[in-house]
Amino acid sequence: GEDVEQSLFLSVREGDSSVINCTYTDSSSTYLYWYKQEPGAGLQLLTYIFSNMDMKQDQRLTVLLNKKDKHLSLRIADTQTGDSAIYFCAEKVTGANNLFFGTGTRLTVIP
Amino acid sequence: GAVVSQHPSRVICKSGTSVKIECRSLDFQATTMFWYRQFPKQSLMLMATSNEGSKATYEQGVEKDKFLINHASLTLSTLTVTSAHPEDSSFYICSASYQREGETQYFGPGTRLLVL
Repeated sequence: GEDVEQSLFLSVREGDSSVINCTYTDSSSTYLYWYKQEPGAGLQLLTYIFSNMDMKQDQRLTVLLNKKDKHLSLRIADTQTGDSAIYFCAEKVTGANNLFFGTGTRLTVIP
Repeated sequence: GAVVSQHPSRVICKSGTSVKIECRSLDFQATTMFWYRQFPKQSLMLMATSNEGSKATYEQGVEKDKFLINHASLTLSTLTVTSAHPEDSSFYICSASYQREGETQYFGPGTRLLVL
């Protein structure tokens, strides 16, 4: 089946940029998503990118997609303590309605 | 827009009882709803996909008689955990999607189930 991988942990200092990486194996992806999950809560959609795009920017968030290498990243500029959470990348592939989730990256922002 | 609610947010029950969890799309009509399960510090595992008015499609390894899904309308899906046991304790999250750009799934806040 589809395999979506992320590093488990990332720590950054407040004010620095965070880069969360994700790799996937299925080349028939149509959309790729980034979700944020705070403790005890559901998933909040942050942003998504269509698979024929290379980059998408939305305020402090920048998504980069390298389709050749099947690599997706989320950059958070000027990281704040409120950004501390688990970040999931997810892939939607052709022919499937559901999403395939990565393992999640726990971002810790150090004041 | 695109708000999904779940009820209850937390439930504690005795082993052997059944628990119903509701998932509602509040400001849109969801063509499809999904039920996920999340174990502590792990990713989401898709349990089943449901479309309004038709039977749910269950993922391999998920017992359809154990986890009953009813998708009665375009805004409501329910998950019933029948004869719950301690190993069913988990965080259950639903999501809903509709046909538009991205076919994005919008997630509910989750329901934490604890079976004693």
